[in-house]
Amino acid sequence: GNSVTQMEGPVTLSEEAFLTINCTYTATGYPSLFWYVQYPGEGLQLLLKATKADDKGSNKGFEATYRKETTSFHLEKGSVQVSDSAVYFCALNRYSSASKIIFGSGTRLSIRP
Amino acid sequence: EPEVTQTPSHQVTQMGQEVILRCVPISNHLYFYWYRQILGQKVEFLVSFYNNEISEKSEIFDDQFSVERPDGSNFTLKIRSTKLEDSAMYFCASSESSSVQETQYFGPGTRLLVL
Repeated sequence: GNSVTQMEGPVTLSEEAFLTINCTYTATGYPSLFWYVQYPGEGLQLLLKATKADDKGSNKGFEATYRKETTSFHLEKGSVQVSDSAVYFCALNRYSSASKIIFGSGTRLSIRP
Repeated sequence: EPEVTQTPSHQVTQMGQEVILRCVPISNHLYFYWYRQILGQKVEFLVSFYNNEISEKSEIFDDQFSVERPDGSNFTLKIRSTKLEDSAMYFCASSESSSVQETQYFGPGTRLLVL
C-alpha cells in the first residue's frame, strides 16, 4: 500500500544550523509529495510541494526535491531559526477513488537560540 | 488569504454523547475532507466529500460517523455515540479539485476529548 516514512524526532538544533529531515515513500504510480508544518497550537499548513519527479519545492528557505529513483523527498534548510520550531509532516497524495493525503508520523523540530 | 475555519476549537463530551464538529471550507472549493490525529500519532484520513456525496471513506469512518453539507458554506462531521478512543484532533480540509497535484488546505482543528 501507500505509505510515508520520516525520521523520528525530536530533532534539536542550534540556530543557524543546517537541517535535514529524511522522508521516503512507497506508492504505485505518480504521487504528489508535500511537506506540511504544524506550529505550536495551530493547524496544518502547507510548507511546500512537488508534483513530479525531479521537481524541487521551496518556501521560506526550505527545499525538498522529488527523487523517484530513491523514492525520497527530504526536507532541507540551510540556516534554521528559532521560529522554525514546529512539527513537520511529510505526505503524499495518490489518487484512488478520491484524493486523500497520507501522512508520515511527523518530526518535532526544536531550535535553540 | 482565504482559509478554512473550524468550530469549536475544543470540545469536551461524555462517552455516548453525540457531537457535531463544524467547518467552513474555502468558498470556491468543491472537495471537502476530514482527518483526525490521535495524540502522538499520525494524521489519518477519515472521509472525502464531493457533490453532496461521500467519495471515499477509511476503515475508521464507521456507522457512528456521518458528514453533511447542510447549507452552502458549512461542512459537518457528526459522531453519533462517542467513545473514549474518539478523543483526537479533527482537521477539516478543502481543495478546488480532486487532482493529486492540488493542495488541500487545512483548518486549525477541533480538539475533542471524550470522558
